[in-house]
Amino acid sequence: DVKVTQSSRYLVKRTGEKVFLECVQDMDHENMFWYRQDPGLGLRLIYFSYDVKMKEKGDIPEGYSVSREKKERFSLILESASTNQTSMYLCASWEARSSYNEQFFGPGTRLTVL
Amino acid sequence: AQSVTQLDSHVSVSEGTPVLLRCNYSSSYSPSLFWYVQHPNKGLQLLLKYTSAATLVKGINGFEAEFKKSETSFHLTKPSAHMSDAAEYFCVVSRAGGGADGLTFGKGTHLIIQP
Repeated sequence: DVKVTQSSRYLVKRTGEKVFLECVQDMDHENMFWYRQDPGLGLRLIYFSYDVKMKEKGDIPEGYSVSREKKERFSLILESASTNQTSMYLCASWEARSSYNEQFFGPGTRLTVL
Repeated sequence: AQSVTQLDSHVSVSEGTPVLLRCNYSSSYSPSLFWYVQHPNKGLQLLLKYTSAATLVKGINGFEAEFKKSETSFHLTKPSAHMSDAAEYFCVVSRAGGGADGLTFGKGTHLIIQP
């Protein structure tokens, strides 16, 4: 089974802090994604990556950046956390070459910015 | 561009009665469509997916959905609701290329099951 893990389930940070959210997948998938989930808004795509050192903006990239130095690891960075970035963050991976066509999601990190 | 509209934010049914969760989509290409479920404090689970094969798609736990291109709809149904079906349901469309560029989620429908 594909496994997507995220470094923390819960995180509390202060306004202005630099925050790193880490995601690791164990199935050699090429594509990885970061979403945020807010009540009444569903999930919204922040950034995604096709390959190592490649990144593309999603629908709501403002205030975020990403890093992909290794194929299995995709990090989301909040350069200066703000209270409106309090949310649930979900990482996902997807295999570009197969026809299986399913994104596999991690358990999520609930980030609170005070 | 692509978008998804879930027509009901909350749906309440009695146990043993049919479930209908409505979804309309908009896409400039042949879409891949999905339904995901999220139980309280649990991760996202794929219920079913449509990828241009059969228009009636069967998923897990007795759920199914029908792709209707003429109506741009992908409604989720189940003949008989169980208490364990109470959860948040998301209708989802691929952004492009079947999922390579990520997914666009609807805002969710909260399904309530009355005993």
